[in-house]
Amino acid sequence: DAKTTQPPSMDCAEGRAANLPCNHSTISGNEYVYWYRQIHSQGPQYIIHGLKNNETNEMASLIITEDRKSSTLILPHATLRDTAVYYCIVRIGANFNKFYFGSGTKLNVKP
Amino acid sequence: DAGVTQSPTHLIKTRGQQVTLRCSPKSGHDTVSWYQQALGQGPQFIFQYYEEEERQRGNFPDRFSGHQFPNYSSELNVNALLLGDSALYLCASSSQIAKNIQYFGAGTRLSVL
Repeated sequence: DAKTTQPPSMDCAEGRAANLPCNHSTISGNEYVYWYRQIHSQGPQYIIHGLKNNETNEMASLIITEDRKSSTLILPHATLRDTAVYYCIVRIGANFNKFYFGSGTKLNVKP
Repeated sequence: DAGVTQSPTHLIKTRGQQVTLRCSPKSGHDTVSWYQQALGQGPQFIFQYYEEEERQRGNFPDRFSGHQFPNYSSELNVNALLLGDSALYLCASSSQIAKNIQYFGAGTRLSVL
């Protein structure tokens, strides 16, 4: 599986958009990009995933560059409850797959 | 609530002991994966079970073993515990039909003294 690179931490003002970048320059054509977040001492929570097209759901938007070597997770209106570690993962969308988690980005949402 | 249940929530053991952790997957899911998360690090993949067989394994020694039951629930066993095995152990379930998303439980916090 491709490895990912994320900044270790980011700050965001409450109510503003949080844009979390991820680099996955060695991604293969059949590997999906997934985003999870983990609030302190809880299990990771699924946010969104995509292959090549931009995706949006009730939690966030995922923007994948045309060459698929990087992506951005967008939380449109960050709240204090969005403070968490955000993990970007790439994984082959096939059977018996596994996730490789990096160190993630600690997002601090401030009042 | 992801619907994945893990027990116990906390556990304290001493070096050399053995431990069994349990996981009940989300309803409708048939695949269970286990992860180890040391303090301050991302989760590390241990292994994955489907149809009661280990299908994939990460870089963990044979002291780590598992089992999946016909009802899809799973156990993680760790023998000869070391201090370094202290971690949060996470279970994730998924479906081979809807095979893209893994849902995680809250984890079992294991402390080895």
